[in-house]
Amino acid sequence: QKEVEQNSGPLSVPEGAIASLNCTYSDRGSQSFFWYRQYSGKSPELIMFIYSNGDKEDGRFTAQLNKASQYVSLLIRDSQPSDSATYLCAVNPIHAGGTSYGKLTFGQGTILTVHP
Amino acid sequence: DADVTQTPRNRITKTGKRIMLECSQTKGHDRMYWYRQDPGLGLRLIYYSFDVKDINKGEISDGYSVSRQAQAKFSLSLESAIPNQTALYFCATSDLGEYNEQFFGPGTRLTVL
Repeated sequence: QKEVEQNSGPLSVPEGAIASLNCTYSDRGSQSFFWYRQYSGKSPELIMFIYSNGDKEDGRFTAQLNKASQYVSLLIRDSQPSDSATYLCAVNPIHAGGTSYGKLTFGQGTILTVHP
Repeated sequence: DADVTQTPRNRITKTGKRIMLECSQTKGHDRMYWYRQDPGLGLRLIYYSFDVKDINKGEISDGYSVSRQAQAKFSLSLESAIPNQTALYFCATSDLGEYNEQFFGPGTRLTVL
């Protein structure tokens, strides 16, 4: 099992719809979770992070975290063509002194296309 | 000005050549990272450094070396480049906080012929 898995995609939604991106992780000790957006040929850009169970909203973006289910998601409301990109889920397993300390584990990414 | 810069942005080199990729940051972060990205393989960690005297190997360090010249500078070297090191290389930084948000540089596209 991969440490961080994302829905394989590609995901295509019409403009104005809600895009739902999902991520599961295997390390139950993981403490913080990130969503990065990456346009083709560009660097990953941090758009959301969450560390408490529940929802966190920022504009059109909502991150949802369920630690019991080891699941984190990103909802994009009122999707726009400019949201078309690859979305990377990243997980921070905080184990001070452990081998994972200070490192993020990334999923493979989900390609999102928003069509007019 | 960008907080994390990488030079060069694009580089084409030949097999066997030594090449250095440089990363500088003005964010004041202690932690710096080097990743490579290949189509279908996602981001893979090459090396990381928590301060000038702390350098650690990532999951794919073979064929690479690094130097942390200062808090703000972290260089990646390919001692003898080979074609399968053709990839997009990213530098990233984070502070010492527990959440470890990482911020990426613009990347270097490296082609080894």
